[in-house]
Amino acid sequence: QQQVKQSPQSLIVQKGGISIINCAYENTAFDYFPWYQQFPGKGPALLIAIRPDVSEKKEGRFTISFNKSAKQFSLHIMDSQPGDSATYFCAASKGRTSYDKVIFGPGTSLSVIP
Amino acid sequence: DTGVSQNPRHKITKRGQNVTFRCDPISEHNRLYWYRQTLGQGPEFLTYFQNEAQLEKSRLLSDRFSAERPKGSFSTLEIQRTEQGDSAMYLCASSVDTEAFFGQGTRLTVV
Repeated sequence: QQQVKQSPQSLIVQKGGISIINCAYENTAFDYFPWYQQFPGKGPALLIAIRPDVSEKKEGRFTISFNKSAKQFSLHIMDSQPGDSATYFCAASKGRTSYDKVIFGPGTSLSVIP
Repeated sequence: DTGVSQNPRHKITKRGQNVTFRCDPISEHNRLYWYRQTLGQGPEFLTYFQNEAQLEKSRLLSDRFSAERPKGSFSTLEIQRTEQGDSAMYLCASSVDTEAFFGQGTRLTVV
């Protein structure tokens, strides 16, 4: 059972454009939603994370929008750059107050073309 | 380097052989995780340690897999009698709270 769904599977965006990746979850006990960026041959790196008590979080060009009632959240990359080309994973965890494993979505391969 | 360190980075082994991977977490991180990632997929949880105690194991972790963290510091993941289906990237991560930091992984190829 896929607990975190992610779309699209792949995305091509022109330099300067907006990249949008959408995710949905099923388990309402999740209370921590990180996004990871992974380059080929490297491990995932935390990009930005949000908790369900806020609807939006922005860090530089990266913004997470969170819709608790719809159990959906999305990553927006503004002014996309070729260096943003990577695989992006949304994830979820119940680990806000105690241990829990992070459940990853299947990933979105982003290509930013000049 | 204060990040999560994994060794070896690459391992090629013949089917049926045993392999062992090592993970050195970030100092003071009491939580350590192992994940497996196959091509085009997100990381899948394998097991979790809090200090030296193994607190959770995924159903993905068959009897051929064993993980240890003997002194609550580094951890090892051993795969016995490797099969071609074990070919994957094995990732280790550590944390003190919700933010997990990943190593660069060990790429296992079973031929």
